[in-house]
Amino acid sequence: GAVVSQHPSWVICKSGTSVKIECRSLDFQATTMFWYRQFPKQSLMLMATSNEGSKATYEQGVEKDKFLINHASLTLSTLTVTSAHPEDSSFYICSASREQIDEKLFFGSGTQLSVL
Amino acid sequence: GENVEQHPSTLSVQEGDSAVIKCTYSDSASNYFPWYKQELGKRPQLIIDIRSNVGEKKDQRIAVTLNKTAKHFSLHITETQPEDSAVYFCAASIGGSQGNLIFGKGTKLSVKP
Repeated sequence: GAVVSQHPSWVICKSGTSVKIECRSLDFQATTMFWYRQFPKQSLMLMATSNEGSKATYEQGVEKDKFLINHASLTLSTLTVTSAHPEDSSFYICSASREQIDEKLFFGSGTQLSVL
Repeated sequence: GENVEQHPSTLSVQEGDSAVIKCTYSDSASNYFPWYKQELGKRPQLIIDIRSNVGEKKDQRIAVTLNKTAKHFSLHITETQPEDSAVYFCAASIGGSQGNLIFGKGTKLSVKP
């Protein structure tokens, strides 16, 4: 199947610092990528839709200045959690749509963020 | 807003039995319904999907059925094995956008040897 790489897999940071998470589609181009947040034993909550070459679309309640998304190429989207606080601690996971083939969605391996 | 309901939240079966997970959706424009399997701490993996022009799809021990009129779809796993134990999520596309999905809350399936 298609491969979506996400890094880092886990990160621990101090409160107030910023953390960047990368999501790469390794064997297909993705105009559209998605960022989710997943709390323990809960479902995937869509945070934003990342569009290559344009601004991301954020879901209601998600602060765009807090969660900066950049989709600079057809294979890379980044999520930057700015001025992280303990309440931002969560599992963040990306997905990429294999639009040019079958539009199926493939997920990255996720990033566990812990803010101290 | 659009919603996907998934039941049950937990399901325990004996090895070899069948497991059925059901979902209902609210967006009548949804036309793509994938199912994902997520093992603890790992990424969701697509296991099967179905489009709205099909009523049933089967892949070895896994099958999915769709009733567009009733807006519900189900995952059927036959001859369950311990390695089937995981959390399963159903999803429905938002409108006609296949990549933009709304997920159910998940079902934790435990298969006892």
